[in-house]
Amino acid sequence: GEKVEQHESTLSVREGDSAVINCTYTDTASSYFPWYKQEAGKSLHFVIDIRSNVDRKQSQRLIVLLDKKAKRFSLHITATQPEDSAIYFCAASHSNNRIFFGDGTQLVVKP
Amino acid sequence: EAAVTQSPRNKVAVTGGKVTLSCNQTNNHNNMYWYRQDTGHGLRLIHYSYGAGSTEKGDIPDGYKASRPSQENFSLILELATPSQTSVYFCASGAGGSNTGQLYFGEGSKLTVL
Repeated sequence: GEKVEQHESTLSVREGDSAVINCTYTDTASSYFPWYKQEAGKSLHFVIDIRSNVDRKQSQRLIVLLDKKAKRFSLHITATQPEDSAIYFCAASHSNNRIFFGDGTQLVVKP
Repeated sequence: EAAVTQSPRNKVAVTGGKVTLSCNQTNNHNNMYWYRQDTGHGLRLIHYSYGAGSTEKGDIPDGYKASRPSQENFSLILELATPSQTSVYFCASGAGGSNTGQLYFGEGSKLTVL
């Protein structure tokens, strides 16, 4: 089955800098790549996604890049703010509605 | 805003006891999922469902049963709880189809098995 790997378990950046979280996947049939954010002690909520028919998507300060050839996708958070501090999960899914998650990246934004 | 409600939010059980975690969604989503979250393991899928009456095994189904009696409700059942099942459990719902992957999560149920 699909395996999603998140390369950074922790990431620390200065406020205002950019943060990049990288993920890889194994199943070429995966076509949908969402990202979720989990603040301390809370549940997960959806932040942004990308489909396999595009290679870039932006929503305000969030940019997702997809490299299908390398089976790699990444989340870029620009102009980071303290409220961006959280655990970020990447995920991959395809038509069978199974969603496979990475292990999460703890992002710390230092003032 | 999609709403997924889990109960109980906190549960302490004894080894060998039966535990039922309940999940209710008001989004009319076809798909529902049960995950557990443990440090170092991210989210692992236990069981999922495509609709009322259906349950499917996820990646770690051993020791768990699931029940989907209606579109709205999806339960996770631990018939004989063990300390290794101490974890935080998340229920999620999703529309599936073109929105596959966009899930709405409940607030989580923290289970401690003594």
